[in-house]
Amino acid sequence: DAGITQSPRHKVTETGTPVTLRCHQTENHRYMYWYRQDPGHGLRLIHYSYGVKDTDKGEVSDGYSVSRSKTEDFLLTLESATSSQTSVYFCAIKFPGSDTQYFGPGTRLTVL
Amino acid sequence: DQQVKQNSPSLSVQEGRISILNCDYTNSMFDYFLWYKKYPAEGPTFLISISSIKDKNEDGRFTVFLNKSAKHLSLHIVPSQPGDSAVYFCAASANGNEKLTFGTGTRLTIIP
Repeated sequence: DAGITQSPRHKVTETGTPVTLRCHQTENHRYMYWYRQDPGHGLRLIHYSYGVKDTDKGEVSDGYSVSRSKTEDFLLTLESATSSQTSVYFCAIKFPGSDTQYFGPGTRLTVL
Repeated sequence: DQQVKQNSPSLSVQEGRISILNCDYTNSMFDYFLWYKKYPAEGPTFLISISSIKDKNEDGRFTVFLNKSAKHLSLHIVPSQPGDSAVYFCAASANGNEKLTFGTGTRLTIIP
């Protein structure tokens, strides 16, 4: 158990509304990641963070922003949700000195 | 450009037999490879990894083989058990890069 929680676990929203997903870790790991999982695409990196206020884009960052004001929390924001952002979103952390990432339980987001 | 490929979307294997899941990669800079297992409605869980300095790594019923010249890795599960039914993702990283690149996944079904 890597001590990762995600909230909410499920959300249904309408096109054009803002949505924020939260990832919380209990062990003060430096690296945190946001992925989306879609059929036929596997896991794709949206954004990641390597420290407080230090973030960078992944391969599918358009339409998403992130913030990390505290070590333990990494927020993913959809400023104006679209139906193409319907997906399952996973947060992950990486232990120091290792390439292995550990995942949270996921958030299922539906944009109508 | 899919740098990590899992060409078999699904695989069915009889209980007790060997399951072999395959993964190909194109980026010669990848030097660390991982397999994750994912059950429905859960986050991916780390299964086993291998560094490019090795060609085999074993952990109980799970063995990962790496063929660097062919840019190919495989996961062997023997004997296969019903609880092994899940989606398996391979992933790769390059030179201690903080990011992982994932394949699209293979759904393994173990037939009792």
